[in-house]
Amino acid sequence: EAQVTQNPRYLITVTGKKLTVTCSQNMNHEYMSWYRQDPGLGLRQIYYSMNVEVTDKGDVPEGYKVSRKEKRNFPLILESPSPNQTSLYFCASSPQGWETQYFGPGTRLLVL
Amino acid sequence: AQSVTQLDSQVPVFEEAPVELRCNYSSSVSVYLFWYVQYPNQGLQLLLKYLSGSTLVESINGFEAEFNKSQTSFHLRKPSVHISDTAEYFCAVSGNTGGFKTIFGAGTRLFVKA
Repeated sequence: EAQVTQNPRYLITVTGKKLTVTCSQNMNHEYMSWYRQDPGLGLRQIYYSMNVEVTDKGDVPEGYKVSRKEKRNFPLILESPSPNQTSLYFCASSPQGWETQYFGPGTRLLVL
Repeated sequence: AQSVTQLDSQVPVFEEAPVELRCNYSSSVSVYLFWYVQYPNQGLQLLLKYLSGSTLVESINGFEAEFNKSQTSFHLRKPSVHISDTAEYFCAVSGNTGGFKTIFGAGTRLFVKA
């Protein structure tokens, strides 16, 4: 089944404790992206990647890191999480940057 | 820079009534336009998109949207809504600004009442 998977789905952590949210797609898509969803703000793009080893900042990259060492994986790293990073995170992939994006199920993160 | 404005945060409507969800965008480059739908406690899925060609695009479940370049709008319409259309709808814009950033609107919550 063609899909985007994210892990974990739910995460509670404390300020400053490094964490990684994994994202994997099995559709051989070139483009991958991370978003955060907050009430009243819609989805805001954190980082995106046009291809392996090519990443770029979205609108809200501060406090996040990404890497794209393989085509299928695009992990999101929070080196020192803070409470304002409490949010619902979505990973998405697309054949190309201008095409339909396919979203993962989301990761709900609470930073205490 | 690109931006997307969804003019209504919530739209309550009775079943079988028509609905329009409004979306305006601004961009300095040619754009690709999307409407995504998010049902309660689910991820987003594509409803319809405009990439090129005919400015009127349709979805399989009766929604349509028209790309209006002069008014920089991409409003979503359905002539007769169902209870099952209750969801949050997001308008999104993507354009080649050296990479392909995607900008989403804040969302419109459609609530269909019996």
